[in-house]
Amino acid sequence: EAGVAQSPRYKIIEKRQSVAFWCNPISGHATLYWYQQILGQGPKLLIQFQNNGVVDDSQLPKDRFSAERLKGVDSTLKIQPAKLEDSAVYLCASSLVASTEQYFGPGTRLTVT
Amino acid sequence: KQEVTQIPAALSVPEGENLVLNCSFTDSAIYNLQWFRQDPGKGLTSLLLIQSSQREQTSGRLNASLDKSSGRSTLYIAASQPGDSATYLCACENFNKFYFGSGTKLNVKP
Repeated sequence: EAGVAQSPRYKIIEKRQSVAFWCNPISGHATLYWYQQILGQGPKLLIQFQNNGVVDDSQLPKDRFSAERLKGVDSTLKIQPAKLEDSAVYLCASSLVASTEQYFGPGTRLTVT
Repeated sequence: KQEVTQIPAALSVPEGENLVLNCSFTDSAIYNLQWFRQDPGKGLTSLLLIQSSQREQTSGRLNASLDKSSGRSTLYIAASQPGDSATYLCACENFNKFYFGSGTKLNVKP
């Protein structure tokens, strides 16, 4: 069974630029999560999708971050414009349904200079 | 808001030792608690998930317990090996919201 795929693995941008991350969850998983993990901290949930609907986006900085999950499969997370404090690893996870075991992708390491 | 704390932040033990990692949370109304392992530069690997109605879960050399009333969970690793070296994180789910601790970085010395 293929795991959660993410791309790119690394990205370096200058502040005020835009960036997008892509996630392909495990086949058949209805729930998809995006997390931000700052160095030395635990992941922080940014947004949770159930199929193509948003369950929770209370911690997503909506003035600069956006996410979508068209057709309830792949998802993209966008930052526009980026700030220095956005430097982090962005993790995507999926689960069969909500409140079951989460499976994580390898993450995208973003550096904003 | 749920606060999840993991102590110690780092732990170094000799190979073969049994060890306990601690996770505490402030809001006992959790739906489940999950333990993860994170290797440097990698994503998280799920180790054990304990539903709120359960007291413990076991997988191989790992045993996780949950005491909601005291707001604690422990991860017990038996006969530790150098390959167990990683950061261990716990996460609580409250009403579809997930809260992670900052992790315990474990180093098992050969």
